Amino acid sequence: GQNIDQPTEMTATEGAIVQINCTYQTSGFNGLFWYQQHAGEAPTFLSYNVLDGLEEKGRFSSFLSRSKGYSYLLLKELQMKDSASYLCAGLDSNYQLIWGAGTKLIIKP
Amino acid sequence: IAGITQAPTSQILAAGRRMTLRCTQDMRHNAMYWYRQDLGLGLRLIHYSNTAGTTGKGEVPDGYSVSRANTDDFPLTLASAVPSQTSVYFCASSDSTSGGMDTQYFGPGTRLTVL
Repeated sequence: GQNIDQPTEMTATEGAIVQINCTYQTSGFNGLFWYQQHAGEAPTFLSYNVLDGLEEKGRFSSFLSRSKGYSYLLLKELQMKDSASYLCAGLDSNYQLIWGAGTKLIIKP
Repeated sequence: IAGITQAPTSQILAAGRRMTLRCTQDMRHNAMYWYRQDLGLGLRLIHYSNTAGTTGKGEVPDGYSVSRANTDDFPLTLASAVPSQTSVYFCASSDSTSGGMDTQYFGPGTRLTVL
């Protein structure tokens, strides 16, 4: 079956760095997405990886290892506004997104 | 530019009633999607449409129907609502005829409670 696993909740300190891990099993693979979702709001796109390696975009970076079925989202210089849920989603062979349940990130001052 | 709009924002519905959730996008995206989001679960695809005039079933289509008469609108209908359909419903769109390779953009959601 298809499955996306990510931690339910993580806590980090303002100004620090946090890494949110995601492992995936999909029927075929056409890429890995990360979305951010603030409480009560819609998910918004953060990153897309289809090749192995690190993609950096400002304070946020995303890494993919296709051989390991593994990705992570790295958030640097954490700000209070980064408190949100982070959703990992794999794109399967039918180009449908398979979503993880999300990781709730709590930032403490 | 509004992006994607959904209506209503929230609704309380008696079981057995019929309900249509509306979704409109102004980005001229060819693909549109309906998801439900429940606590502790990932977003689950209900129905999708790769282009106007075509629709397909997602992971959890039972009890729901959709239509795609034009590019902009993608309504979701619950023919006879049941309490298990209590959820937050998100509409999304993407600019891809292949169905999902491009980024999906989400509407603000509709919070539906079925009593």
